[in-house]
Amino acid sequence: GAGVSQSPSNKVTEKGKDVELRCDPISGHTALYWYRQSLGQGLEFLIYFQGNSAPDKSGLPSDRFSAERTGGSVSTLTIQRTQQEDSAVYLCASSLGLAGDEQFFGPGTRLTVL
Amino acid sequence: AQSVTQLGSHVSVSEGALVLLRCNYSSSVPPYLFWYVQYPNQGLQLLLKYTTGATLVKGINGFEAEFKKSETSFHLTKPSAHMSDAAEYFCAVRHGRGSNYKLTFGKGTLLTVNP
Repeated sequence: GAGVSQSPSNKVTEKGKDVELRCDPISGHTALYWYRQSLGQGLEFLIYFQGNSAPDKSGLPSDRFSAERTGGSVSTLTIQRTQQEDSAVYLCASSLGLAGDEQFFGPGTRLTVL
Repeated sequence: AQSVTQLGSHVSVSEGALVLLRCNYSSSVPPYLFWYVQYPNQGLQLLLKYTTGATLVKGINGFEAEFKKSETSFHLTKPSAHMSDAAEYFCAVRHGRGSNYKLTFGKGTLLTVNP
């Protein structure tokens, strides 16, 4: 079956613009995660969804970052008023939501803020 | 709080040599431990995981790892390196209980394999 897909694969934007990153999880996976991968910080957790609710938003770096999930499926990560330090690869993962299960990762969206 | 330390940001081995990538963790509860591999410009792929039971875990591509509670370690090994093993490897830990299943990753180890 299809894996986790993310779009766009690459996004170049100007400082101060808003961007939306999309994640399509594996069908039937109730849990969805966003991570950020950058040279200086490595892989960082951003937010976790169980169904449409987000019980853990502890990794969002500022109030410019928000995410939603609708229909227990697609998720959108929005970054408002982008800054150069937001440049990174944003990875989405999904899982069945059970303790010990595997998180399946998408290929990521590479965001470059000029 | 959980944390993961990967010793060595870059490991270089010869083709056919033993691969050993080190991972130490800290966790206040019994951990679930994972090794992921990332090839250039790709997402992360699970190599293997430890949840409960047998402490020696076998994964894909000939890799294995052993959970040693007394040493808080989960080192990744492969007896004989192949050129195709060149990639970045990430160790990760997750709480084994509760509703928060986020992964905490190490900084990663870049493995290069020399002919």
